[in-house]
Amino acid sequence: KAGVTQTPRYLIKTRGQQVTLSCSPISGHRSVSWYQQTPGQGLQFLFEYFSETQRNKGNFPGRFSGRQFSNSRSEMNVSTLELGDSALYLCASSLFLGGHTNTEAFFGQGTRLTVV
Amino acid sequence: AQKVTQAQTEISVVEKEDVTLDCVYETRDTTYYLFWYKQPPSGELVFLIRRNSFDEQNEISGRYSWNFQKSTSSFNFTITASQVVDSAVYFCALSEASNDMRFGAGTRLTVKP
Repeated sequence: KAGVTQTPRYLIKTRGQQVTLSCSPISGHRSVSWYQQTPGQGLQFLFEYFSETQRNKGNFPGRFSGRQFSNSRSEMNVSTLELGDSALYLCASSLFLGGHTNTEAFFGQGTRLTVV
Repeated sequence: AQKVTQAQTEISVVEKEDVTLDCVYETRDTTYYLFWYKQPPSGELVFLIRRNSFDEQNEISGRYSWNFQKSTSSFNFTITASQVVDSAVYFCALSEASNDMRFGAGTRLTVKP
């Protein structure tokens, strides 16, 4: 069974540009979450998508957005990049069972974004 | 508000020593989930264990064991007879009603041969 796949693995962008990161979840998983990891702030939740709908959102500015497609693949977009957006962006997929049953999340290897 | 504290920033041990990684959490919910993840240098977070708030049984998986104590809001992780391959950053995480996880700052474990 294939794991969570994130592309690209590495990315270098210039301030002011925008970037799109992609995540393919484990087959059968319909919940996809995104996290940002930086040395200063640690791992922070960005947003979660389930069945193409954003279910939950972390405390990030509107420059950070995402979407999920009917095949559960997800993309996140960051517009008007700032130096502080340099981070490892991790995607996680989980088998959401509905209600209040949080299952374990499986993570991809991440996309390391460097903004110069 | 939910919060996870991993007070140990870095731990260094010699191979075959036992080591315990501490995790203390705060939550107002009665239903919540606790997790441990391992992050090797390659970057991906590797799932180790999930525990829900109604299950206080300790768990052992090979050299790994977890001690969940609601009375002290702790979910500690012990590695017995540590090996060099255990070197990584270990994260404790908490989730409540929503599916997002609040992570601790992580503990960097170095196991020296």
